[in-house]
Amino acid sequence: NAGVTQTPKFQVLKTGQSMTLQCAQDMNHEYMSWYRQDPGMGLRLIHYSVGAGITDQGEVPNGYNVSRSTTEDFPLRLLSAAPSQTSVYFCASSGTALYGYTFGSGTRLTVV
Amino acid sequence: AQKVTQAQTEISVVEKEDVTLDCVYETRDTTYYLFWYKQPPSGELVFLIRRNSFDEQNEISGRYSWNFQKSTSSFNFTITASQVVDSAVYFCALRVTTRRRALTFGSGTRLQVQP
Repeated sequence: NAGVTQTPKFQVLKTGQSMTLQCAQDMNHEYMSWYRQDPGMGLRLIHYSVGAGITDQGEVPNGYNVSRSTTEDFPLRLLSAAPSQTSVYFCASSGTALYGYTFGSGTRLTVV
Repeated sequence: AQKVTQAQTEISVVEKEDVTLDCVYETRDTTYYLFWYKQPPSGELVFLIRRNSFDEQNEISGRYSWNFQKSTSSFNFTITASQVVDSAVYFCALRVTTRRRALTFGSGTRLQVQP
């Protein structure tokens, strides 16, 4: 049972490039979320989904897009990378509100 | 809107000392869940505990204990007889069952346990 799988683990982008961070879970969880972690700021919610076909914005959605075409996958797209998007990104999934989220191992992104 | 405050940015203790990490939350929802996660130096997020808003019983798990007080909107975490392996960043988080069903995190408390 793989849990939540994020790829890649590390990525360096040039300003203006686009890319997609992949997230997949094999637990048939309804709820999935993307967070970014910056020093001293905890984890901030970028986008979340409560089921296939349903997504919504979190606290810091600008510059990011998501879609949820299947229950398993929840990719995060950076449209035009900026240095301010240098961060560690975590994907997470949850079955119901009764339980906490299971997190992926993170993607460390550097935009130069 | 939800908010979680962890006022202690960094705590340093010597091994075997007890330490309490504070967490204060804000929400207008009557049903909610509180969590603690541990992030060791390796970077992964490890789930420690979940508590729902209707259960104010304190919980003990080995050297860890949690004190939930609705009257003060606090959910504090105590490590008894700390060990070097407890060195990590600890996050308190809140989840409501309406609207945004994702976690709202505090800014974290970095705990350093010195040998």
